[in-house]
Amino acid sequence: DTAVSQTPKYLVTQMGNDKSIKCEQNLGHDTMYWYKQDSKKFLKIMFSYNNKELIINETVPNRFSPKSPDKAHLNLHINSLELGDSAVYFCASSRGLAGNEQFFGPGTRLTVL
Amino acid sequence: GQQVMQIPQYQHVQEGEDFTTYCNSSTTLSNIQWYKQRPGGHPVFLIQLVKSGEVKKQKRLTFQFGEAKKNSSLHITATQTTDVGTYFCAGPGGLTGGGNKLTFGTGTQLKVEL
Repeated sequence: DTAVSQTPKYLVTQMGNDKSIKCEQNLGHDTMYWYKQDSKKFLKIMFSYNNKELIINETVPNRFSPKSPDKAHLNLHINSLELGDSAVYFCASSRGLAGNEQFFGPGTRLTVL
Repeated sequence: GQQVMQIPQYQHVQEGEDFTTYCNSSTTLSNIQWYKQRPGGHPVFLIQLVKSGEVKKQKRLTFQFGEAKKNSSLHITATQTTDVGTYFCAGPGGLTGGGNKLTFGTGTQLKVEL
C-alpha cells in the first residue's frame, strides 16, 4: 500500500559508473519530483514533471537525466557518477502543482566510492 | 533567487522543554508548508498555512504565518523524544518554475534528551 516507492533503497557504486533510481506513486498524482538531500540535510529540488512533461529543471549537471514514462513513474538516471553525487535522493509527488502537499518516497542513499 | 532560511540549524533540548524554529523567506509566499523528517526517514507533511497572521495548532505544535507572509514559526510545547527529527518549512516560488516549485528551508535538527 506504499504511496510513493523508490528502488533501490541503498546504492553503492564506483566513480564513473552509470546508475538509475526508480520511483512510482499510486496516489493518482500528476506531478512528481526529484530532490537531493546532502549530508547537512539541505533538501534541493532537481526536477519536476507534470503529466509526463518536464516543468522544472534546476541547475543540475546534464549527467542527470530524468524520465517519466507515465504519470505514475519518474526515474532518474545518472551517468559518470562522481564523489559529490553521494547523497540521499528523494522522489515526491503532489496533486497539481507545488502549492499542494507533497508526498515523499523513502529515499535512495547513494554512495559513490 | 528565492531563499528560505531557518534558525536555529540545530537545537538540543531536555525532554519537557519548549522548542521553536523560525523560518524566513526572501520573498512573499502564497502559503507555507511544514514538514518533519525523522532520523533515517523521509519528509512528512505536517501542515499548510495560507492566510496572513494565521495560527494553527496540532496538539503540542503551534504554527504561525507572519503578517507579511515572509516568515513563519513552529513552536513545540513540552518536547518529547518522539519530536526528534528535522523540521523544514517550504514555500512555493523560486527563480525557475515559479509557483511550480517548493523551496525548502535549511531545516532545524531537533534532538531531545531525557
